[in-house]
Amino acid sequence: DADVTQTPRNRITKTGKRIMLECSQTKGHDRMYWYRQDPGLGLRLIYYSFDVKDINKGEISDGYSVSRQAQAKFSLSLESAIPNQTALYFCATSARPGQGPDGYTFGSGTRLTVV
Amino acid sequence: GESVGLHLPTLSVQEGDNSIINCAYSNSASDYFIWYKQESGKGPQFIIDIRSNMDKRQGQRVTVLLNKTVKHLSLQIAATQPGDSAVYFCAENTDGNTPLVFGKGTRLSVIA
Repeated sequence: DADVTQTPRNRITKTGKRIMLECSQTKGHDRMYWYRQDPGLGLRLIYYSFDVKDINKGEISDGYSVSRQAQAKFSLSLESAIPNQTALYFCATSARPGQGPDGYTFGSGTRLTVV
Repeated sequence: GESVGLHLPTLSVQEGDNSIINCAYSNSASDYFIWYKQESGKGPQFIIDIRSNMDKRQGQRVTVLLNKTVKHLSLQIAATQPGDSAVYFCAENTDGNTPLVFGKGTRLSVIA
């Protein structure tokens, strides 16, 4: 099984619909992140969480919300999807400093299309 | 604002040649740097990292060079293979409690 699992892998939804993207991890990492990837713009941070009670906005949080249900689970919601939220979404995890490698482990991504 | 970026968006190299992918950063307080490889349809995968107290680090067929004077980071891939074809991202942060900031990526195409 993958260390970081994202569901669904692909999703097409209509404008105005609420949608949730889910992420679960078996790495035992405290820290989790949601990034969005658009062609030519690289990875941009939406929200991040350093532990279960911690939620922080990233660079592009407008139109999104998150929930850290447990150490292993971090979900991203689009309350009312719009077409410019069509993108590839990645969840990532990392260990606390000094408790493991500093790099991030990424999931395989969720491709979201809003029509 | 300060950001991480790349000089070249695309790079084509002949199989067997060495590849050099460059990255410029603007935050002089950046302390940790990392390179990721992203193959089509997959999430980014860790390649190699380096801290600001080093100027060179080697892995298997890869070397990262850090020049703090000019705020420049490079990834060297020796004997480039078709499997190296991917998009490569540099990323950095200033300390362990700030998220990584990613550059826009360079696409490496290996010509057989």
